[in-house]
Parts: sequence; structure tokens; C-alpha cells
Amino acid sequence: GQNIDQPTEMTATEGAIVQINCTYQTSGFNGLFWYQQHAGEAPTFLSYNVLDGLEEKGRFSSFLSRSKGYSYLLLKELQMKDSASYLCAVTDSNYQLIWGAGTKLIIKP
Amino acid sequence: DTGVSQDPRHKITKRGQNVTFRCDPISEHNRLYWYRQTLGQGPEFLTYFQNEAQLEKSRLLSDRFSAERPKGSFSTLEIQRTEQGDSAMYLCASSILGEVAYNEQFFGPGTRLTVL
Repeated sequence: GQNIDQPTEMTATEGAIVQINCTYQTSGFNGLFWYQQHAGEAPTFLSYNVLDGLEEKGRFSSFLSRSKGYSYLLLKELQMKDSASYLCAVTDSNYQLIWGAGTKLIIKP
Repeated sequence: DTGVSQDPRHKITKRGQNVTFRCDPISEHNRLYWYRQTLGQGPEFLTYFQNEAQLEKSRLLSDRFSAERPKGSFSTLEIQRTEQGDSAMYLCASSILGEVAYNEQFFGPGTRLTVL
């Protein structure tokens, strides 16, 4: 079967750094996405990894290891507006997105 | 503004009624997806279209659910004989799948369905 695992909830402090992990088992792999979703809103694109390594985009970075079926999203200099759910999704061999349940990130002052 | 629009944004209906939702994707996008999302969960795939062809339907999609994309542009999702368990956010997303595997999906604002 296909499976995406990520922690249900994490808490971090404003100004700090947090790493959200994602492990996956899918039929084929054509890339991994991270999306941000604020409560009651639609998911919005954050990052895409298809090759191993780190992709940096401002305060957000995403890492991929295909051999380990593992990715993480790193958020630096946390701001209160970063409180949201972070969804990991993998594109399988049919170019379908397989979604994780999301990690709810709570930022405390 | 992602460019994907959905209508209505909210729908309250009584159990047993039929409801229809509309999605207008980004104009040049050839793929259109429907998802259902409940609180604390990721999007659950329902079905998708490539142009006007419906290529895949989730095994979870009962025969009360039907979707169309008649001209390869907008799409409708109909739920017949709604049940309280159908209460959820219904998300539409579109993407363009060309020669590269990159397949970012752009989401609409969703339709929140409440079945009383």
C-alpha cells in the first residue's frame, strides 16, 4: 500500500527553528511536495524536491533522501503567521499525489 | 489568488438532498482533481480528469458521487442523497502535466458542505 507518515502536531517558539519530518512508501516516485494550509483555507505550495538534497527558499528549506524515503521541511525564524498545517505529498508512478495527514504546527510567543 | 475558483463556498443541506459543486480551474491546466478533506486530515483523493476524460476514481467514491468535466474546462461534482458523513470540505485543484514530471497542483478555496 501507499503510506505517508508525518507527526500529528508540533509546537515551537517564535523566532526558533523547527523541522517537520515526512516518511513515505509509494508505488513509484516522481517528486515530493510540501504544502502549507491555514485553518479553513486551501493548501498552498511551499516546495518541490525530486532529487536528493536540500532546496532552500527564504526561511523555508526542504530536504529529500529517496533511498530512505524521507523528507523534512525546515522552518527558520519562526513567525506567528507560520502557525498552520504542513502537508507532505508524494507524486507516485501515475503522477498522482499521495497526501499525508498533515502536521499541525503551533507557534508560541 | 491561485486562479482556481469554486462555487459555492459554503453549502448547508438536509440529509437526503442532492448537491452540486462547481470548479473553474486555471484556464490552461489540463488536469483537474477533486478532493475531500475532513478536520485534521490531509486531502483525500476522489477523482481526476485529464481534459474531459475522467481517468481515475477513488475506490472510496460511492455511486452517490458523480463528477463531470464536459468540455475540458469547468467541472461539477454532484452528491446524491447526501448523508451526514458527507460533511467535509470539498477541494478542487488543477495542474498542467506536460513533458516534465513536475505537477504542482493549485487549489481552489474549497466548498464546505454541512449535512444536517
